[in-house]
Amino acid sequence: QVQLVQSGAEVKKPGASVKVSCKASGYTFTSYDINWVRQATGQGLEWMGWMNPNSGNTGYAQKFQGRVTMTRNTSISTAYMELSSLRSEDTAVYYCARKDIEGAFDIWGQGTMVTVSS
Amino acid sequence: SYELTQPPSVSVSPGQTARITCSGDALPKQYAYWYQQKPGQAPVLVIYKDSERPSGIPERFSGSSSGTTVTLTISGVQAEDEADYYCQSADSSGASVVFGGGTKLTVL
Repeated sequence: QVQLVQSGAEVKKPGASVKVSCKASGYTFTSYDINWVRQATGQGLEWMGWMNPNSGNTGYAQKFQGRVTMTRNTSISTAYMELSSLRSEDTAVYYCARKDIEGAFDIWGQGTMVTVSS
Repeated sequence: SYELTQPPSVSVSPGQTARITCSGDALPKQYAYWYQQKPGQAPVLVIYKDSERPSGIPERFSGSSSGTTVTLTISGVQAEDEADYYCQSADSSGASVVFGGGTKLTVL
């Protein structure tokens, strides 16, 4: 079935970087954009940006410009989101989501908890 | 920056109709999408392109649009519908995705 499977939980110190992976299966990875969305505990959803797995083109939310990098490895159908200069406010669950032809985030990964703590 | 505004909470009794609104200046130009999120789970798409329902989503879920406001309607609410609901759209340029702040639906 169509699914996105993310990497496991991470604990990082302030100032470090984290790289979360998102492995696609059940569909052609290069045919749909991957978006990243995060959610702090008890808070709402926050969009971080998108990546086109075919071209590698990306677009980032202004808030994360300069700190986030989205990449992919098409040979293993995996997308990556790297966030640098981590601070405590970056503690959240990070989701990858497929954007379908209707513009909807129709398939979501299970989420990856990233904790930033000294 | 562009914002979508939702009420923080809506409460209804089982069998009644719940309406959750989402307001934003660019909604006349950009489609809206609705997601349901239950505790500890990833969001699930329930409405796309303002009023279309994905396969597998019960018919009691519907969406509508009027000017700068879109509305998610759940008819005949069931206990299992208790969840957080988020609207999502884009800014007027279409370059940035935006989520509403979310609405907690409580089934009394």
